[in-house]
Amino acid sequence: AQSVTQLGSHVSVSEGALVLLRCNYSSSVPPYLFWYVQYPNQGLQLLLKYTSAATLVKGINGFEAEFKKSETSFHLTKPSAHMSDAAEYFCAVRNSNTGNQFYFGTGTSLTVIP
Amino acid sequence: NAGVTQTPKFRVLKTGQSMTLLCAQDMNHEYMYWYRQDPGMGLRLIHYSVGEGTTAKGEVPDGYNVSRLKKQNFLLGLESAAPSQTSVYFCASSTSVRTYEQYFGPGTRLTVT
Repeated sequence: AQSVTQLGSHVSVSEGALVLLRCNYSSSVPPYLFWYVQYPNQGLQLLLKYTSAATLVKGINGFEAEFKKSETSFHLTKPSAHMSDAAEYFCAVRNSNTGNQFYFGTGTSLTVIP
Repeated sequence: NAGVTQTPKFRVLKTGQSMTLLCAQDMNHEYMYWYRQDPGMGLRLIHYSVGEGTTAKGEVPDGYNVSRLKKQNFLLGLESAAPSQTSVYFCASSTSVRTYEQYFGPGTRLTVT
């Protein structure tokens, strides 16, 4: 079965500090992995995606994520947090076994402290 | 290019009432999905469709029905609303190739009293 675990439902960082949001997945076959961001009262917006090309993936707004097969992880990072990064972040996985279905993590709420 | 739109944005229902949520996309995507989002539970798939005239059950289909009569539209129906269906509902659409990247609508906030 495919699943996604996001460690830490709430993360707080100071403005300018490193952002690290954790995502671990389980998949029996090579996965496609995604990070989505949700701002208050809005839908989900794609931040970045891993599609089995480069293991370090760069996304929008300065975010990036690294696929580590040995650790089954796809953690999201940003070197310097900005106030506008405050949002809910979701990790998702799909693979050839799940077809067109995605499995989402429970989300991590990021607070940026001025 | 509006992307994915949802109607209505907000709705309050009494227990036992029925309603239909409409999702429309203008990206010519084959696949469409309905999710519900509840605090601490992330997004859970209700139903999905891989093409016009076809639908399938997701993780939490009970109490909901769907129809995909036109490629661009995906309707979610609640025949007899229950308080447990109070949630935020999101529609998404995706391509039918490779990554199946999903594009989301703005959501519908439904309260059942």
